[in-house]
Amino acid sequence: DAGITQSPRYKITETGRQVTLMCHQTWSHSYMFWYRQDLGHGLRLIYYSAAADITDKGEVPDGYVVSRSKTENFPLTLESATRSQTSVYFCASIGTGLYEQYFGPGTRLTVT
Amino acid sequence: RKEVEQDPGPFNVPEGATVAFNCTYSNSASQSFFWYRQDCRKEPKLLMSVYSSGNEDGRFTAQLNRASQYISLLIRDSKLSDSATYLCVVNIGGGADGLTFGKGTHLIIQP
Repeated sequence: DAGITQSPRYKITETGRQVTLMCHQTWSHSYMFWYRQDLGHGLRLIYYSAAADITDKGEVPDGYVVSRSKTENFPLTLESATRSQTSVYFCASIGTGLYEQYFGPGTRLTVT
Repeated sequence: RKEVEQDPGPFNVPEGATVAFNCTYSNSASQSFFWYRQDCRKEPKLLMSVYSSGNEDGRFTAQLNRASQYISLLIRDSKLSDSATYLCVVNIGGGADGLTFGKGTHLIIQP
């Protein structure tokens, strides 16, 4: 019973490279989210998805791309990584009803 | 004014004491409220939802004050394992994208 998983857990990449962070959930939850967490900023929403093939921008979407071809997967791609994208990235999902979110363990990304 | 605000702390509290902290929100139309716990370098985990009538779960009590636009979290008989950062979440927009996190209150329980 994995729930919601993220991979990789740690990633170091160079400026300008493309990198994809994976998120997979086993609950068939409709809503999925990507957040980044930085000191001094708290959790900020990058993108979210209400269902397969439905995605929308959050607070800080620039430099990121998402897709959701299957309900259980919600990958986040940094098209050309920059140092300012060094952060901890969390994926989350919501079932139905009261907007209670469940988070994956996070991916620590360092862009050098 | 920030949409969801918390005192960052740290709150240093002796074991066994009672501690309370608040979270203020700016949108009076907000409908959903939550407290999450986040341990160092870990993901946030839902602690409790906050209902209009208030709710209690063991040593934890959450309350909502709509008139003054804040939610509170009270921890009684604090344990060393309660040391963590507590995040409040307010749905300021009505939809799933309206879930807005405070920056968290850091709590340290001292032996």
